[in-house]
Amino acid sequence: AQSVTQPDIHITVSEGASLELRCNYSYGATPYLFWYVQSPGQGLQLLLKYFSGDTLVQGIKGFEAEFKRSQSSFNLRKPSVHWSDAAEYFCAVGGGTGFQKLVFGTGTRLLVSP
Amino acid sequence: DTGVSQNPRHKITKRGQNVTFRCDPISEHNRLYWYRQTLGQGPEFLTYFQNEAQLEKSRLLSDRFSAERPKGSFSTLEIQRTEQGDSAMYLCASSHPRGHNYGYTFGSGTRLTVV
Repeated sequence: AQSVTQPDIHITVSEGASLELRCNYSYGATPYLFWYVQSPGQGLQLLLKYFSGDTLVQGIKGFEAEFKRSQSSFNLRKPSVHWSDAAEYFCAVGGGTGFQKLVFGTGTRLLVSP
Repeated sequence: DTGVSQNPRHKITKRGQNVTFRCDPISEHNRLYWYRQTLGQGPEFLTYFQNEAQLEKSRLLSDRFSAERPKGSFSTLEIQRTEQGDSAMYLCASSHPRGHNYGYTFGSGTRLTVV
């Protein structure tokens, strides 16, 4: 069965510092991987996605993620965090032809300190 | 592209009452999904439509839940005889006809509180 683990429930980063959010997945075939961001009381916004090809994926808002098959990981990074990045971040996995659903992790809440 | 629209944004209901939520997907998206998100958790898949056909339902979708998409456009999610455990954010998403390659677009959700 598909599953996603986000081991960090909360992370606090100083504004201007770099960020890495961890995501490990379990999937029996080639996964399709996503990172979403959710502000309080809002829906989810897609940051980036990986389907195939280059394992380093660029997304919106200066985020990037690297797919590492050997580690079953898809960690999200940003070189310099802004206060507006404070939100909840979700990693998700889906896959296969005609898949219908995504499996999400439990999320990591990012706090940005001045 | 006006995005995915969900109504109402918030709903407070008494236990035992029925509630209905509406989702209007992006117009050219033929796939529509419902997810439920409880506090501190990621979204969980409930059901999926391709056009008007409901193609998959999660075991989370008990007999009290029903979803429709009568003309392949908007969708409704009804919960009958609500229970306190139904309190959650209900998220709708739609995707491009070419499928998941383009990722979902989520609505802002309907937050249900059962008192």
